[in-house]
Amino acid sequence: LAKTTQPISMDSYEGQEVNITCSHNNIATNDYITWYQQFPSQGPRFIIQGYKTKVTNEVASLFIPADRKSSTLSLPRVSLSDTAVYYCLVGDTGWSGGSYIPTFGRGTSLIVHP
Amino acid sequence: NAGVTQTPKFRILKIGQSMTLQCTQDMNHNYMYWYRQDPGMGLKLIYYSVGAGITDKGEVPNGYNVSRSTTEDFPLRLELAAPSQTSVYFCASSYTQGGHNEQFFGPGTRLTVL
Repeated sequence: LAKTTQPISMDSYEGQEVNITCSHNNIATNDYITWYQQFPSQGPRFIIQGYKTKVTNEVASLFIPADRKSSTLSLPRVSLSDTAVYYCLVGDTGWSGGSYIPTFGRGTSLIVHP
Repeated sequence: NAGVTQTPKFRILKIGQSMTLQCTQDMNHNYMYWYRQDPGMGLKLIYYSVGAGITDKGEVPNGYNVSRSTTEDFPLRLELAAPSQTSVYFCASSYTQGGHNEQFFGPGTRLTVL
């Protein structure tokens, strides 16, 4: 089961681009990389998912290098409302007899300052 | 769609009491999950279900029970509540299984055991 490592916290300012990197050295061939966002007192919310190269949606971009041992969530021009905890998850396409346990580590606490 | 709903929002229990946390989803998802989140920590999977009548243990199942009699409902039962069960509980559901699925989370139930 691939484990992930993220910075515990990051600080930024409004209007800046924020890049949060997640390390997953033991990622398996079938694993996808998924990022969630969690605001205080709310459940996590799906942001973006990818397998390789680059994925972009209306909220963020996800960069995955060729070796897939890390990934970077990029938030363009952050605002105060982007202050949240961001989780990186890695997992494959099936439960494989119940072996897949979604693992939300401590995540990265992003604080955006005025 | 209401998505994933949880009741109650808050609850205080005395040691040894029992209660059921309710979770309902209206997205016709087969897969449902219960997580707990302790202060400053990530989410830990308690139990999950891949369909009506099928449940299995997650990472931290001790002290909890679940049932899945319908696709929509996935209640979590706490028997003999203990202070260690003080936490925020999140229910989630997904259309597909495994690491490439998008989980939809409820608003959470904040439980305190005194």
